[in-house]
Amino acid sequence: EDKVVQSPLSLVVHEGDTVTLNCSYEVTNFRSLLWYKQEKKAPTFLFMLTSSGIEKKSGRLSSILDKKELFSILNITATQTGDSAVYLCAVLIQGAQKLVFGQGTRLTINP
Amino acid sequence: SQTIHQWPATLVQPVGSPLSLECTVEGTSNPNLYWYRQAAGRGLQLLFYSVGIGQISSEVPQNLSASRPQDRQFILSSKKLLLSDSGFYLCAWSATTSGTYEQYFGPGTRLTVT
Repeated sequence: EDKVVQSPLSLVVHEGDTVTLNCSYEVTNFRSLLWYKQEKKAPTFLFMLTSSGIEKKSGRLSSILDKKELFSILNITATQTGDSAVYLCAVLIQGAQKLVFGQGTRLTINP
Repeated sequence: SQTIHQWPATLVQPVGSPLSLECTVEGTSNPNLYWYRQAAGRGLQLLFYSVGIGQISSEVPQNLSASRPQDRQFILSSKKLLLSDSGFYLCAWSATTSGTYEQYFGPGTRLTVT
Protein backbone atom coordinates (compact mmCIF):
# COMPACT_ATOMS: atom_id res chain seq x y z
CA GLU A 1 0.00 0.00 0.00
CA ASP A 2 1.30 3.46 -0.90
CA LYS A 3 2.15 5.48 2.19
CA VAL A 4 3.32 9.02 2.99
CA VAL A 5 4.35 9.89 6.54
CA GLN A 6 5.04 13.38 7.85
CA SER A 7 6.83 14.41 11.01
CA PRO A 8 6.43 16.02 13.38
CA LEU A 9 2.64 16.04 13.46
CA SER A 10 2.68 19.28 15.39
CA LEU A 11 5.31 21.95 15.98
CA VAL A 12 5.24 25.19 17.98
CA VAL A 13 8.06 27.71 17.60
CA HIS A 14 8.72 31.40 18.13
CA GLU A 15 8.70 33.99 15.40
CA GLY A 16 12.12 34.20 13.77
CA ASP A 17 13.01 30.56 14.32
CA THR A 18 13.89 28.21 11.45
CA VAL A 19 11.85 25.02 11.07
CA THR A 20 12.33 21.80 9.13
CA LEU A 21 9.36 19.62 8.24
CA ASN A 22 9.86 16.03 7.14
CA CYS A 23 8.09 13.80 4.67
CA SER A 24 8.97 10.18 3.95
CA TYR A 25 7.25 7.91 1.48
CA GLU A 26 6.86 4.32 0.35
CA VAL A 27 5.10 4.09 -2.98
CA THR A 28 5.08 1.60 -5.81
CA ASN A 29 5.74 4.03 -8.64
CA PHE A 30 7.01 7.48 -7.69
CA ARG A 31 6.60 10.38 -10.11
CA SER A 32 6.95 13.53 -8.00
CA LEU A 33 6.44 14.96 -4.51
CA LEU A 34 4.36 18.03 -3.75
CA TRP A 35 4.11 20.36 -0.76
CA TYR A 36 0.96 22.31 0.09
CA LYS A 37 0.12 24.89 2.75
CA GLN A 38 -3.36 24.73 4.29
CA GLU A 39 -4.55 27.59 6.43
CA LYS A 40 -8.26 27.67 7.06
CA LYS A 41 -9.65 26.18 3.90
CA ALA A 42 -8.18 24.95 0.64
CA PRO A 43 -4.56 23.78 0.43
CA THR A 44 -2.41 26.04 -1.70
CA PHE A 45 0.37 24.65 -3.84
CA LEU A 46 3.95 25.38 -2.75
CA PHE A 47 6.42 23.12 -4.60
CA MET A 48 6.67 20.14 -6.86
CA LEU A 49 9.89 18.09 -6.67
CA THR A 50 10.79 15.47 -9.24
CA SER A 51 14.57 15.20 -9.20
CA SER A 52 16.85 14.38 -6.29
CA GLY A 53 19.15 17.00 -4.84
CA ILE A 54 17.71 20.03 -6.62
CA GLU A 55 16.47 22.62 -4.15
CA LYS A 56 13.30 24.51 -4.91
CA LYS A 57 13.09 27.91 -3.27
CA SER A 58 10.40 30.54 -2.83
CA GLY A 59 11.25 33.40 -0.50
CA ARG A 60 11.87 31.97 2.96
CA LEU A 61 10.63 28.52 1.98
CA SER A 62 12.79 25.86 0.39
CA SER A 63 12.46 22.15 -0.23
CA ILE A 64 14.61 19.29 -1.43
CA LEU A 65 14.00 15.68 -2.39
CA ASP A 66 16.14 12.58 -1.76
CA LYS A 67 14.89 9.76 -3.99
CA LYS A 68 17.46 7.30 -2.66
CA GLU A 69 16.37 7.66 0.96
CA LEU A 70 12.73 8.35 -0.03
CA PHE A 71 12.16 11.61 1.80
CA SER A 72 11.78 15.33 1.40
CA ILE A 73 12.20 18.28 3.75
CA LEU A 74 10.54 21.66 3.77
CA ASN A 75 12.52 24.45 5.42
CA ILE A 76 11.12 27.77 6.54
CA THR A 77 13.60 30.39 7.73
CA ALA A 78 12.87 33.51 9.78
CA THR A 79 9.35 32.27 10.49
CA GLN A 80 6.46 34.71 10.79
CA THR A 81 3.03 34.31 12.39
CA GLY A 82 1.57 34.11 8.88
CA ASP A 83 3.45 30.85 8.36
CA SER A 84 1.14 29.18 10.88
CA ALA A 85 -0.72 26.49 8.95
CA VAL A 86 -0.93 22.79 8.25
CA TYR A 87 1.74 21.73 5.76
CA LEU A 88 0.80 18.77 3.60
CA CYS A 89 3.13 16.52 1.66
CA ALA A 90 1.80 14.40 -1.20
CA VAL A 91 3.28 11.94 -3.67
CA LEU A 92 2.11 11.69 -7.25
CA ILE A 93 1.92 8.11 -8.43
CA GLN A 94 3.28 7.46 -11.92
CA GLY A 95 0.54 6.60 -14.38
CA ALA A 96 -2.28 6.95 -11.86
CA GLN A 97 -2.62 10.75 -11.96
CA LYS A 98 -3.51 10.79 -8.28
CA LEU A 99 -1.90 12.08 -5.10
CA VAL A 100 -1.31 10.19 -1.86
CA PHE A 101 -1.23 12.63 1.05
CA GLY A 102 0.53 12.49 4.38
CA GLN A 103 -1.35 13.41 7.54
CA GLY A 104 0.13 16.90 7.65
CA THR A 105 2.27 18.90 10.10
CA ARG A 106 0.47 21.59 12.09
CA LEU A 107 2.91 24.48 12.49
CA THR A 108 2.20 27.23 14.99
CA ILE A 109 4.36 30.35 15.10
CA ASN A 110 4.07 32.34 18.33
CA PRO A 111 4.94 36.04 18.34
CA SER B 1 -6.83 32.06 -15.37
CA GLN B 2 -8.42 28.98 -13.89
CA THR B 3 -10.81 29.04 -10.96
CA ILE B 4 -12.57 26.28 -9.09
CA HIS B 5 -15.85 26.69 -7.25
CA GLN B 6 -17.54 24.52 -4.67
CA TRP B 7 -20.90 24.82 -3.01
CA PRO B 8 -22.32 24.93 -0.54
CA ALA B 9 -19.55 26.20 1.75
CA THR B 10 -21.11 24.63 4.83
CA LEU B 11 -23.85 22.07 5.30
CA VAL B 12 -25.55 20.49 8.29
CA GLN B 13 -27.58 17.40 7.46
CA PRO B 14 -29.33 14.72 9.55
CA VAL B 15 -28.30 11.08 9.39
CA GLY B 16 -30.10 9.28 6.59
CA SER B 17 -30.64 12.35 4.44
CA PRO B 18 -29.29 12.66 0.86
CA LEU B 19 -26.27 14.71 -0.16
CA SER B 20 -25.23 16.58 -3.26
CA LEU B 21 -22.04 18.65 -3.41
CA GLU B 22 -21.07 20.42 -6.60
CA CYS B 23 -17.73 21.47 -8.03
CA THR B 24 -17.13 23.43 -11.22
CA VAL B 25 -13.91 24.55 -12.88
CA GLU B 26 -13.50 27.55 -15.17
CA GLY B 27 -10.72 28.51 -17.55
CA THR B 28 -9.54 25.07 -18.58
CA SER B 29 -10.73 22.17 -20.72
CA ASN B 30 -10.72 18.46 -20.03
CA PRO B 31 -9.25 18.70 -16.53
CA ASN B 32 -8.74 15.75 -14.23
CA LEU B 33 -11.11 16.20 -11.30
CA TYR B 34 -10.84 14.86 -7.75
CA TRP B 35 -12.91 14.60 -4.57
CA TYR B 36 -11.10 14.42 -1.23
CA ARG B 37 -12.33 14.22 2.34
CA GLN B 38 -10.39 15.58 5.29
CA ALA B 39 -11.43 14.48 8.77
CA ALA B 40 -10.57 16.81 11.66
CA GLY B 41 -6.81 16.88 12.24
CA ARG B 42 -6.12 14.40 9.45
CA GLY B 43 -4.63 14.42 5.96
CA LEU B 44 -6.60 14.27 2.74
CA GLN B 45 -8.21 11.03 1.67
CA LEU B 46 -8.88 10.62 -2.05
CA LEU B 47 -12.47 9.51 -2.64
CA PHE B 48 -12.97 9.71 -6.42
CA TYR B 49 -11.19 10.97 -9.48
CA SER B 50 -12.24 11.48 -13.06
CA VAL B 51 -10.22 11.81 -16.24
CA GLY B 52 -13.22 12.61 -18.47
CA ILE B 53 -16.99 12.93 -18.76
CA GLY B 54 -18.69 9.88 -17.29
CA GLN B 55 -15.36 8.33 -16.20
CA ILE B 56 -15.19 7.87 -12.44
CA SER B 57 -12.64 5.93 -10.40
CA SER B 58 -13.50 5.12 -6.82
CA GLU B 59 -10.72 4.86 -4.28
CA VAL B 60 -12.58 3.96 -1.12
CA PRO B 61 -15.70 1.79 -0.91
CA GLN B 62 -18.41 3.68 0.97
CA ASN B 63 -21.89 5.08 0.65
CA LEU B 64 -20.77 8.00 -1.51
CA SER B 65 -20.83 8.25 -5.30
CA ALA B 66 -19.54 10.73 -7.85
CA SER B 67 -20.64 11.81 -11.29
CA ARG B 68 -19.22 14.00 -14.02
CA PRO B 69 -22.10 15.08 -16.25
CA GLN B 70 -20.13 17.82 -17.99
CA ASP B 71 -16.46 18.40 -18.73
CA ARG B 72 -15.93 20.88 -15.91
CA GLN B 73 -18.55 19.72 -13.41
CA PHE B 74 -18.01 17.12 -10.69
CA ILE B 75 -20.71 16.08 -8.25
CA LEU B 76 -20.43 14.11 -5.01
CA SER B 77 -23.59 12.40 -3.80
CA SER B 78 -25.01 10.13 -1.18
CA LYS B 79 -28.46 8.59 -0.84
CA LYS B 80 -28.25 8.24 2.95
CA LEU B 81 -25.66 10.06 5.05
CA LEU B 82 -23.88 8.43 7.99
CA LEU B 83 -22.37 10.19 11.00
CA SER B 84 -18.95 9.14 9.74
CA ASP B 85 -19.50 11.18 6.55
CA SER B 86 -18.86 14.39 8.50
CA GLY B 87 -15.74 16.20 7.34
CA PHE B 88 -14.27 18.77 5.03
CA TYR B 89 -14.80 17.90 1.36
CA LEU B 90 -12.39 19.30 -1.17
CA CYS B 91 -12.61 19.26 -4.94
CA ALA B 92 -9.42 19.62 -6.96
CA TRP B 93 -8.41 19.81 -10.59
CA SER B 94 -5.24 19.18 -12.54
CA ALA B 95 -4.32 19.95 -16.13
CA THR B 96 -3.93 17.02 -18.47
CA THR B 97 -1.79 18.89 -20.97
CA SER B 98 1.06 20.15 -18.77
CA GLY B 99 2.29 16.70 -17.81
CA THR B 100 3.04 17.81 -14.28
CA TYR B 101 -0.32 16.98 -12.67
CA GLU B 102 -0.07 19.31 -9.69
CA GLN B 103 -3.53 19.70 -8.22
CA TYR B 104 -5.34 22.90 -7.33
CA PHE B 105 -8.05 22.90 -4.71
CA GLY B 106 -11.44 24.52 -4.36
CA PRO B 107 -12.54 26.31 -1.16
CA GLY B 108 -14.16 23.19 0.28
CA THR B 109 -17.48 22.23 1.86
CA ARG B 110 -17.66 21.58 5.58
CA LEU B 111 -20.28 18.87 6.15
CA THR B 112 -21.66 18.06 9.60
CA VAL B 113 -23.95 15.07 9.87
CA THR B 114 -26.08 15.17 13.02
